Amino acid sequence: GENVEQHPSTLSVQEGDSAVIKCTYSDSASNYFPWYKQELGKRPQLIIDIRSNVGEKKDQRIAVTLNKTAKHFSLHITETQPEDSAVYFCAASKGGTGNQFYFGTGTSLTVIP
Amino acid sequence: GAVVSQHPSRVICKSGTSVKIECRSLDFQATTMFWYRQFPKQSLMLMATSNEGSKATYEQGVEKDKFLINHASLTLSTLTVTSAHPEDSSFYICSARAFSIGEQFFGPGTRLTVL
Repeated sequence: GENVEQHPSTLSVQEGDSAVIKCTYSDSASNYFPWYKQELGKRPQLIIDIRSNVGEKKDQRIAVTLNKTAKHFSLHITETQPEDSAVYFCAASKGGTGNQFYFGTGTSLTVIP
Repeated sequence: GAVVSQHPSRVICKSGTSVKIECRSLDFQATTMFWYRQFPKQSLMLMATSNEGSKATYEQGVEKDKFLINHASLTLSTLTVTSAHPEDSSFYICSARAFSIGEQFFGPGTRLTVL
């Protein structure tokens, strides 16, 4: 099955700096890679996703890059703000509503004002 | 986006009792729903895949007789924690995918505390 690894487990940055979180996956058949943000006690919320036919996607301060050959993808947050503090999870999945997501172990991001 | 609800949001029960958690897709039909368990400061651990009209598929190490899953309709899946013990205390979250390739929509979660 799929194995998703995520690094780092914790990350502290100064407000305004950039944050980068990296994930690797093992199954070359995976074709959908979402990133979720989870605040304490709340449900995970999708912040950005990328499909295997695209190498990069950007949405305002958030961007995701995908390297299919190396089987890794990364989340980039620029101009970080205190409200970006949360736990971020990457995931990998194949198409199909019945196919599960394989989640990374999470990164706890703290943005220091 | 698609909406998934979960009920109850919080439950406290005595050891030995059973607790049922409901997961509903409000504006789409979900032939498959997923049940996760999450311990504090840890990742989402998939417990089982709930299939409408058939048996759930459990992940290795998850006791199917303890965590009963029923997916009676295209919009409702239930997880029953039977004979709950304090070690079952956790945050349980369900989810579903509305489209063949796309995000998984999560319910708000249920905080279970077993005394």
